[in-house]
Amino acid sequence: QVQLQESGPGLVKPSQTLSLTCTVSGGSISSTSHYWTWIRQPAGTALEWIGRVYTDGSTNYNPSLQSRVTISLDTSKNQFSLKLTSVTAADTALYYCASHGGNAAFDIWGQGTMVTVSS
Amino acid sequence: DVQMTQSPSSLSASVGDRVIITCRAGQTIRKYFHWYQQKPGSGPKLLIYDVSTLQAGVPSRFSGSESGTDFTLTISSLQPEDFATYYCQQSYINPPTFGPGTTVEMK
Repeated sequence: QVQLQESGPGLVKPSQTLSLTCTVSGGSISSTSHYWTWIRQPAGTALEWIGRVYTDGSTNYNPSLQSRVTISLDTSKNQFSLKLTSVTAADTALYYCASHGGNAAFDIWGQGTMVTVSS
Repeated sequence: DVQMTQSPSSLSASVGDRVIITCRAGQTIRKYFHWYQQKPGSGPKLLIYDVSTLQAGVPSRFSGSESGTDFTLTISSLQPEDFATYYCQQSYINPPTFGPGTTVEMK
């Protein structure tokens, strides 16, 4: 059974780059028909889809974040990563990695990792 | 973005109660609609996908239905493990969007 685990710094300074990694276990990240996704949840607000990477490396991003986001695969480590540049306090949130098939129902989730943007 | 609204935002119920949560999409989203359950300290868990299909391992007391842009999650007989927050989500139009959540609390 595929499992996901987020990792990365819990504190990032304003204007710096937030970097998170999601490690995939129990299956290959190169598995066909899977999309690997990042979603975040600021305290007290709705879940927000950040973007996704397909097994061929192609990406789609939320237009609201597109200018600051990069999601990429590392097949050698069975990981995918999130980079969010020029962060502000508004980027403080619980960050989840997740995956889905063709219908974009997120069927596998990590436990989430809290990232706080503060000096 | 497609706006998703949920009602109620929270409810109090007892074990054995029938619980109904509704979600409304801001525009037509066809069958690309899903429900999740989230408990503190864990990521959301997919309960129902494509409006009414139960994810593997989800008890049959959960069911989903739709009428136009209105969607319903029904728990036929609430169990102790069902006290949680429930989210709806559409995946018909990018970006995928989620509802604000409904918290089911113990009465």
